[in-house]
Amino acid sequence: GIQVEQSPPDLILQEGANSTLRCNFSDSVNNLQWFHQNPWGQLINLFYIPSGTKQNGRLSATTVATERYSLLYISSSQTTDSGVYFCAVERNAGGTSYGKLTFGQGTILTVHP
Amino acid sequence: DGGITQSPKYLFRKEGQNVTLSCEQNLNHDAMYWYRQDPGQGLRLIYYSQIVNDFQKGDIAEGYSVSREKKESFPLTVTSAQKNPTAFYLCASSIGRRTQHFGDGTRLSIL
Repeated sequence: GIQVEQSPPDLILQEGANSTLRCNFSDSVNNLQWFHQNPWGQLINLFYIPSGTKQNGRLSATTVATERYSLLYISSSQTTDSGVYFCAVERNAGGTSYGKLTFGQGTILTVHP
Repeated sequence: DGGITQSPKYLFRKEGQNVTLSCEQNLNHDAMYWYRQDPGQGLRLIYYSQIVNDFQKGDIAEGYSVSREKKESFPLTVTSAQKNPTAFYLCASSIGRRTQHFGDGTRLSIL
């Protein structure tokens, strides 16, 4: 199956700092999503971004599908940004089946006041 | 408000017992999914369904069963054949392969 590697595994920041999270994947994909899991376990979708660049407030993401990686940028971090960030991808296998996401192990982000 | 409702939030299972986790959505999404998350790990796909009355196995389907009789409902049964069921179970839905939206999860433990 497809391999998804996220880095760094852990990241500790002071409030106001910027950060970049990386997701590498081992095969061609037609679906890539970034999620944030808060300390209570709730999973929130941040971006659906199989290619290109998107921005949403202090967060932005870029996927370079041809080079098999995606980056999540967090600017002016806040304590509420703490939690685990997951990248998930779906291998481009053709056909009509969809939605079979493979998740990375996540990046644990801690933002201190 | 539109969303995904999972129940119960906490569930305990005795040895040899089957238990069913509920997942209901009112987002009018065609596709629904079940994931398992173990401590400190990412999510792994158990089953997924693209339309009513059809579903496919994910990566870890052994010991689990599902049904999709209604568009808004996708219950997951953890059978006695699942030897290590203690985990956090998350249900999601989407329109096609686009953004997946998640419920708040069910934590299952063995008594």
